Amino acid sequence: KQEVTQIPAALSVPEGENLVLNCSFTDSAIYNLQWFRQDPGKGLTSLLLIQSSQREQTSGRLNASLDKSSGRSTLYIAASQPGDSATYLCAVIRGGTYKYIFGTGTRLKVLA
Amino acid sequence: GAGVSQSPSNKVTEKGKDVELRCDPISGHTALYWYRQSLGQGLEFLIYFQGNSAPDKSGLPSDRFSAERTGGSVSTLTIQRTQQEDSAVYLCASSPDRGYTFGSGTRLTVV
Repeated sequence: KQEVTQIPAALSVPEGENLVLNCSFTDSAIYNLQWFRQDPGKGLTSLLLIQSSQREQTSGRLNASLDKSSGRSTLYIAASQPGDSATYLCAVIRGGTYKYIFGTGTRLKVLA
Repeated sequence: GAGVSQSPSNKVTEKGKDVELRCDPISGHTALYWYRQSLGQGLEFLIYFQGNSAPDKSGLPSDRFSAERTGGSVSTLTIQRTQQEDSAVYLCASSPDRGYTFGSGTRLTVV
């Protein structure tokens, strides 16, 4: 059974810091991995989608990497801003299925 | 439409009443999903529709929950005889393949 873990559960950093959020999964036979952010009381916004054949994806100040063999993904946020404060969720889809398995998220607070 | 649309955005209902939650996916997306997010919990899969195939209902928590998708587009999630433990945010997502786009959710409160 696929399990997705995100560490840390919560993180508070001063504005301008570079930071890394971690996601680990137990079954390496994934089809893709997607990172989302969720603002309080809101739905999920897609940040980056990494196909299983890819090693990383970049969008602006965000970079996500994928290492299937070790069951890990990291989300790197450069030069953090207060507007980055949100909960960040990673989710994986196993090959041959369509259902995402979500981690419980990392709650990020960037202090001005 | 431009994104996944869910309605209502908020719903307060009395225990024992039935509720219907609506999801309007992105045009052309063949896959549609319902998830539930309870306070302080992760996302819980409820049901998945793909084209004309039989839906995957494996995540529905009880027979009080049902969902349908008409014409391969709009979906309705129905909860009968609501209970307080049904209080949660219900999220809908659609996908052309496997990358999801989520709606903003319906916050259901059962009092």
